[in-house]
Amino acid sequence: DAGVIQSPRHEVTEMGQEVTLRCKPISGHDYLFWYRQTMMRGLELLIYFNNNVPIDDSGMPEDRFSAKMPNASFSTLKIQPSEPRDSAVYFCASSRGGGPPGANVLTFGAGSRLTVL
Amino acid sequence: DQQVKQNSPSLSVQEGRISILNCDYTNSMFDYFLWYKKYPAEGPTFLISISSIKDKNEDGRFTVFLNKSAKHLSLHIVPSQPGDSAVYFCAATVSWGKLQFGAGTQVVVTP
Repeated sequence: DAGVIQSPRHEVTEMGQEVTLRCKPISGHDYLFWYRQTMMRGLELLIYFNNNVPIDDSGMPEDRFSAKMPNASFSTLKIQPSEPRDSAVYFCASSRGGGPPGANVLTFGAGSRLTVL
Repeated sequence: DQQVKQNSPSLSVQEGRISILNCDYTNSMFDYFLWYKKYPAEGPTFLISISSIKDKNEDGRFTVFLNKSAKHLSLHIVPSQPGDSAVYFCAATVSWGKLQFGAGTQVVVTP
């Protein structure tokens, strides 16, 4: 398996522009997570899906952020309009549910580094 | 509100010695704790976990200790190797799926 695939790996954009980050989870995994990593706050959970349905989006910073999962093999995280404070590394992760917490660990993608100028 | 805290942003240790990473949490409902390791330009990878019903879990050179009364866990790496140089994240969960992470500790293993 190729693992969790994220694109783009790097994105540099100007304030006010729309940014779309993409994720392909591991085939057969029914949970998908979007995290954001910053120096100050470490890894923050933004949103997660189970069977393509958003379960908890309480970590989404504000209305400028939106996430979709139209099918089991694809998810997007969109920021519109982007701001310099959105600069961070965004990680997608997937897992297979059905077992006790902790036993079904997350597999992370390599991340998308976003810089908003 | 940071419910999982790693108060040491960095740790330097000599090769062959023990590395001890610490993590504190505030939510007494957490029932599983995990450690992830992250190399530059890569995503975090799972290292070791422990259930709240245990106080120790060991996997090779890695041992995690849990002190529920103190709401504290630690990761011991013995002996430390150069390949252990990475950022280590502590994580905890109450319900399945929602892992909360600490800010991470950068470990540097020197020759």
